[in-house]
Amino acid sequence: SYVLTQPPSVSVAPGKTATITCGGNTLGGESVHWYQQKPGQAPVVVISYDGDRPSGIPERFSGSNSGNTATLTISGVEDGDEADYYCQVWDTNSDHPVFGGGTKLTVL
Amino acid sequence: QVQLQESGPGLVRPSETLSLTCTVSGGSLTPYYWSWIRQPPGKGLEWIGYIYFSGNTNYNPSLRGRVTMSVDTSKNQFSLRLNSVTAADTATYYCARDLIEGRTIWFDPWGQGTLVTVSS
Repeated sequence: SYVLTQPPSVSVAPGKTATITCGGNTLGGESVHWYQQKPGQAPVVVISYDGDRPSGIPERFSGSNSGNTATLTISGVEDGDEADYYCQVWDTNSDHPVFGGGTKLTVL
Repeated sequence: QVQLQESGPGLVRPSETLSLTCTVSGGSLTPYYWSWIRQPPGKGLEWIGYIYFSGNTNYNPSLRGRVTMSVDTSKNQFSLRLNSVTAADTATYYCARDLIEGRTIWFDPWGQGTLVTVSS
């Protein structure tokens, strides 16, 4: 099964830029989706198709994907961005979706 | 605006069957795929499987053999059954709508989730 690797935690000061990575073999050839999950809440998609922002998601959220790494970037981090973030792809070999292990973003 | 709501018992005994239903409001089951996804306490997300409005299914190989999904378009509901449960099946169970284009799938929106505990 396809494996997506995320750092367990990332810390950033308010107003700064947070970068969360997602690694996988030839990941750049797949479409990566990112979810934000705040404590006690269901996940919400913040980036689809590597870099598309769904309606209602602030422009501060952006994504990119190349080589073996996809990146979620949050500019001008706010306290309300503190959450767990998960990347996700469709594993065409096993024909099912796969999630990364998640990254806890802490706003200092 | 489509909304999803999970329902079912919050406590299931070991070796028994976990049964959950997801009710979709504000939209139709057709022509979408619908997934179940779970999250053990303090851990990450695991896709369980999806069902098409017509009834076609695809399950996570790690759970295949224990999982059954069904759909009731007349009630705008789809359901999950997981048999022979153990403590490892304790998790928050989410239902979600699948958005599929080409070779990819993502999930939006999600239900609020329901915690199912497996314990005697």
